[in-house]
Amino acid sequence: GAVVSQHPSRVICKSGTSVKIECRSLDFQATTMFWYRQFPKQSLMLMATSNEGSKATYEQGVEKDKFLINHASLTLSTLTVTSAHPEDSSFYICSASISVGEQYFGPGTRLTVT
Amino acid sequence: GENVEQHPSTLSVQEGDSAVIKCTYSDSASNYFPWYKQELGKRPQLIIDIRSNVGEKKDQRIAVTLNKTAKHFSLHITETQPEDSAVYFCAAGPSTDSWGKLQFGAGTQVVVTP
Repeated sequence: GAVVSQHPSRVICKSGTSVKIECRSLDFQATTMFWYRQFPKQSLMLMATSNEGSKATYEQGVEKDKFLINHASLTLSTLTVTSAHPEDSSFYICSASISVGEQYFGPGTRLTVT
Repeated sequence: GENVEQHPSTLSVQEGDSAVIKCTYSDSASNYFPWYKQELGKRPQLIIDIRSNVGEKKDQRIAVTLNKTAKHFSLHITETQPEDSAVYFCAAGPSTDSWGKLQFGAGTQVVVTP
């Protein structure tokens, strides 16, 4: 149980284009999903908290117009990186919460912007 | 908000020896303390967690202890094996402001040498 999928696993895009990443909870309903960014050899940096049917809550310093989050159902949240630039290249990981605190992670998406 | 410090940043142990990783947290309201294992390029995997009403929890070779008074918790791995080599993250939460956010430590790179 508690399986979270993420798609795509890898994506390469050109500077200025937008990329959408999907996060799905496969065997449970997640009222809350989280989006993280992870640089090499660093910890998980929370970008935003996503709740089904409501606007995402962004962490300080994260541009909400650049990183669009939609949580359309209890099993799906999407992150769209708009007008991507090379500095947006990173490993993006989502997690889904079963109960308050407990989080299960997706496999991550490696984004490379050329 | 919550602040989690994790030590050491790297830990080398010989196969069969024990490994201990320590974390401290700042928010006395935190009541959930998970540990995640992350292999290179993979998702963080929840390996054990503990809630504030318990002082110790064990699962085979892995144990976690919690000292709420001192606000620190530790991960203990006994009889280490090469497959225990990975980065380990502690976390504390949930944040009282919204939706079960966790604050992650900086991570510990564990290397088990045969």
